[in-house]
Amino acid sequence: KAGVTQTPRYLIKTRGQQVTLSCSPISGHRSVSWYQQTPGQGLQFLFEYFSETQRNKGNFPGRFSGRQFSNSRSEMNVSTLELGDSALYLCASSLLQGRETQYFGPGTRLLVL
Amino acid sequence: QKEVEQNSGPLSVPEGAIASLNCTYSDRGSQSFFWYRQYSGKSPELIMFIYSNGDKEDGRFTAQLNKASQYVSLLIRDSQPSDSATYLCAVNVGNTPLVFGKGTRLSVIA
Repeated sequence: KAGVTQTPRYLIKTRGQQVTLSCSPISGHRSVSWYQQTPGQGLQFLFEYFSETQRNKGNFPGRFSGRQFSNSRSEMNVSTLELGDSALYLCASSLLQGRETQYFGPGTRLLVL
Repeated sequence: QKEVEQNSGPLSVPEGAIASLNCTYSDRGSQSFFWYRQYSGKSPELIMFIYSNGDKEDGRFTAQLNKASQYVSLLIRDSQPSDSATYLCAVNVGNTPLVFGKGTRLSVIA
């Protein structure tokens, strides 16, 4: 079974631009969570989608948004990029919500100049 | 505010020794506990999970959970240089998101 895939793997943007990242979960998994990882803050939860509905949201500004499609694929969007948005963005999928084990994709490394 | 605390390390152990990684959590209602390994520049990889008090063994890895004391640990027996990585502890309560610690950096010296 294929793992979680994320595209693109690397991205360079400039301040003020917007970016869209994509995540395809493991086949059959219906829950997708997004995390931001930086050296100083560690892994921080952005949001979780299950059955096309946002179920949980982390403490990030409204510039960060996401959605999930009927095939469970998910996208996240960051508008008006800031230098501090430079990070590794990780997507994780699980079969269901709750105590289900999450499996991570390879991540998208975003650099904002 | 749910918190998960880990010693950042680095924890250095000689090859063949037992590495002991610890994690404490603040929410007494926590139900699921996970250990992930993350190599530099890579994404986290699940090592094991534990739900019940006691020990759970998987190969060279043993997870230990003590809900009364609110800690979970990971023991790595016969440590190898390839075990050198950052180990992330994650805790879950019901349908809330996983809360991750900042990780402990392990260095196994050959």
